[in-house]
Amino acid sequence: AQKITQTQPGMFVQEKEAVTLDCTYDTSDQSYGLFWYKQPSSGEMIFLIYQGSYDEQNATEGRYSLNFQKARKSANLVISASQLGDSAMYFCAMTMMDTGRRALTFGSGTRLQVQP
Amino acid sequence: DTGVSQNPRHKITKRGQNVTFRCDPISEHNRLYWYRQTLGQGPEFLTYFQNEAQLEKSRLLSDRFSAERPKGSFSTLEIQRTEQGDSAMYLCASSLENRAGDYNSPLHFGNGTRLTVT
Repeated sequence: AQKITQTQPGMFVQEKEAVTLDCTYDTSDQSYGLFWYKQPSSGEMIFLIYQGSYDEQNATEGRYSLNFQKARKSANLVISASQLGDSAMYFCAMTMMDTGRRALTFGSGTRLQVQP
Repeated sequence: DTGVSQNPRHKITKRGQNVTFRCDPISEHNRLYWYRQTLGQGPEFLTYFQNEAQLEKSRLLSDRFSAERPKGSFSTLEIQRTEQGDSAMYLCASSLENRAGDYNSPLHFGNGTRLTVT
């Protein structure tokens, strides 16, 4: 069975600094997709970034980048130039292509607090 | 794109009662998912539809839970004989599969229905 592990329950970062949120995964599939979502206190889940297991380059979306290390099975999210509005829960998630499991499996999340 | 809509936003019910939630996905989306989220945890997968076909169900989905998507558009999730352990946020999400094996389509989530069982 696949598993997503986020070992940081909470993180603090100063405004305008960069922060890395850790995510490791465990799967026997060769083909899979990795996602990061943001959940503010208002509750909605917001898609941030996607990385496919065969993508050779790390994904980037604006201030978000994904540090993908396939051999280590890690997919860390890097947020550059943190803003106060980045304070939220962040979830790493995975789909598996080989076994056809299309539903996302989520980690337990990291609560990020950006301090002024 | 009006987003994924869920109703009601909040539901308080007494133990043993039945409840039904509704989800209206983004109109052109062919996939629809139900998740459950408890405080401090990530969403847990419950079930998923491709058009009107229910293709996968989690072991979390006991026989008290049933989900339908009769015409491949909106979906309902019913919980019968509610228990206090059913108290959670129930999230609906939808996505568009453009082609077979399209696994990079992000899920678009609704704001959820918060269920409290007293």
